[in-house]
Amino acid sequence: AQSVTQLDSQVPVFEEAPVELRCNYSSSVSVYLFWYVQYPNQGLQLLLKYLSGSTLVKGINGFEAEFNKSQTSFHLRKPSVHISDTAEYFCAVRRGGIQGAQKLVFGQGTRLTINP
Amino acid sequence: DVKVTQSSRYLVKRTGEKVFLECVQDMDHENMFWYRQDPGLGLRLIYFSYDVKMKEKGDIPEGYSVSREKKERFSLILESASTNQTSMYLCASSGTGDRGQYFGPGTRLTVT
Repeated sequence: AQSVTQLDSQVPVFEEAPVELRCNYSSSVSVYLFWYVQYPNQGLQLLLKYLSGSTLVKGINGFEAEFNKSQTSFHLRKPSVHISDTAEYFCAVRRGGIQGAQKLVFGQGTRLTINP
Repeated sequence: DVKVTQSSRYLVKRTGEKVFLECVQDMDHENMFWYRQDPGLGLRLIYFSYDVKMKEKGDIPEGYSVSREKKERFSLILESASTNQTSMYLCASSGTGDRGQYFGPGTRLTVT
């Protein structure tokens, strides 16, 4: 069965510093990976996804992630963060099952706090 | 602009009440999902539907049921609300292919 582990529950960083949010997965089927962001009092928005092809994936708001099959990781990075990046971030992997149904398994979430 | 809407942002109910949470999407998506979100646990799938009148249990279906009579609408029902169902409930939808799921703003349900 697929599972996702986000290694840090909270990450505090200073504004304009780089950040990496870590995600490890386990999957016995073809891997489709996602990062979502949840701003305070909102639903989740898709940041980026890896389906196939280049292992470096670029998303919205300057975020990128690298798929590493040998380390079963999909870490999210941003070279310089802003106060507006304060949010909770979720890593997810697609489950197997009914084709196209896109059931996802989510990690526990990482709360990113940007300090001025 | 794609949209998933949920009937309430905040809801307070009493133990034993029957509770309906409604979700509507305007993207003609086949798949719809109900999750609950609790601190430290991430999102857990309650039920999902891959077509009208079709449903499948998720990871934590106990105490919940769902209804999908029309493609755009997916309802979550708490037959007899209990305090351990106090949570944030998120609805999502997706089409075919792997474009990701689109989420509503959530309903924060408190059962007293």
